[in-house]
Amino acid sequence: EAGVTQFPSHSVIEKGQTVTLRCDPISGHDNLYWYRRVMGKEIKFLLHFVKESKQDESGMPNNRFLAERTGGTYSTLKVQPAELEDSGVYFCASSRDSNYGYTFGSGTRLTVV
Amino acid sequence: EDQVTQSPEALRLQEGESSSLNCSYTVSGLRGLFWYRQDPGKGPEFLFTLYSAGEEKEKERLKATLTKKESFLHITAPKPEDSATYLCAVQAMDDMRFGAGTRLTVKP
Repeated sequence: EAGVTQFPSHSVIEKGQTVTLRCDPISGHDNLYWYRRVMGKEIKFLLHFVKESKQDESGMPNNRFLAERTGGTYSTLKVQPAELEDSGVYFCASSRDSNYGYTFGSGTRLTVV
Repeated sequence: EDQVTQSPEALRLQEGESSSLNCSYTVSGLRGLFWYRQDPGKGPEFLFTLYSAGEEKEKERLKATLTKKESFLHITAPKPEDSATYLCAVQAMDDMRFGAGTRLTVKP
């Protein structure tokens, strides 16, 4: 079984630019989650998709962040315009059932300069 | 507000020196407590899920236990390859809340 794939693994952008992160979950996993870890802090929840629908987006920091999951397969997380405080590692995870442990991707390390 | 606190922040052990990591939590309506292992540059790797107080799970040198207020991850006779950051997470309603992790280093 292929794991959760995230792209790119690293991204360095200037403040004000736009970046799009992509996550390919494990095939058949309806639940897809975005998390992020900023420097020195714990991993924090951003949002949860069930298939193509946003189940919970209470963790999205502001309207500069837009997540989509068209067709219920892969998901994208766009940050526009990026700010310095957006720097961190963005993780995607998927699960077949929300009651079980998630499978995480390796993350995208975003650096905004 | 739901909280997850892990201690210690960092732990250095000699190979073979057993110890325990702690995860204290306050959450309304716990649905599950999860332990993950994270290696540098990688995403968290699932280890265990515990659902109710008194439950225990084991995997090789690791054993996780759960009470109503905390969970322990016991490491018996650790090896250098057990070095990693161990994350605890609790699931209440729909999302999973993580602790800051314990960075474990096992010296040969």
